[in-house]
Amino acid sequence: GENVEQHPSTLSVQEGDSAVIKCTYSDSASNYFPWYKQELGKGPQLIIDIRSNVGEKKDQRIAVTLNKTAKHFSLHITETQPEDSAVYFCAASEAGGSYIPTFGRGTSLIVHP
Amino acid sequence: DGGITQSPKYLFRKEGQNVTLSCEQNLNHDAMYWYRQDPGQGLRLIYYSQIVNDFQKGDIAEGYSVSREKKESFPLTVTSAQKNPTAFYLCASGLLGVVPTTNYGYTFGSGTRLTVV
Repeated sequence: GENVEQHPSTLSVQEGDSAVIKCTYSDSASNYFPWYKQELGKGPQLIIDIRSNVGEKKDQRIAVTLNKTAKHFSLHITETQPEDSAVYFCAASEAGGSYIPTFGRGTSLIVHP
Repeated sequence: DGGITQSPKYLFRKEGQNVTLSCEQNLNHDAMYWYRQDPGQGLRLIYYSQIVNDFQKGDIAEGYSVSREKKESFPLTVTSAQKNPTAFYLCASGLLGVVPTTNYGYTFGSGTRLTVV
């Protein structure tokens, strides 16, 4: 089955800095890679996703890159703000069909004002 | 306003009791899922259902049971056989199919925190 590794487990940055979270996956059949943000006491919320036919996708201060050859994908947050503080999860799956994603263990991002 | 609703937000269970967590969605999603979240362990799949009256075990199904009598509802029962039930439980729903432009991402509920007392 699929195995997703996520690093780092904790990331501390100053407001305005960039933050990068990296994930690797093992199953070459995976073609859909979502990222979720979970604020304290709440459920995760999808913030951005990428499909395997695309190398990069941006949405304002958030971007995701995908390297299918190396089987890794990354979340980039620029100009971080205190409200970006949360736990971020990556996931990998084969879109369509049964679609059961495998999640990484999460990264706790702390943005210091 | 479409969404997925979990209740209650907090639940306390005595030793030997069964408790049921509610999950309802009005997104017309085919599939529904239950996850357990423990600190440092990410999200672990308990059960999932892709069609009414059918469900499949996930990675940690022992001590749990589910039903899917309606498309909108997927309740989870934590039985007395679950020896360590204290955790944060998340319900999610999503679309199935192969439409390339579809957002395949999950919609999660806000969670139920279960504590054994």
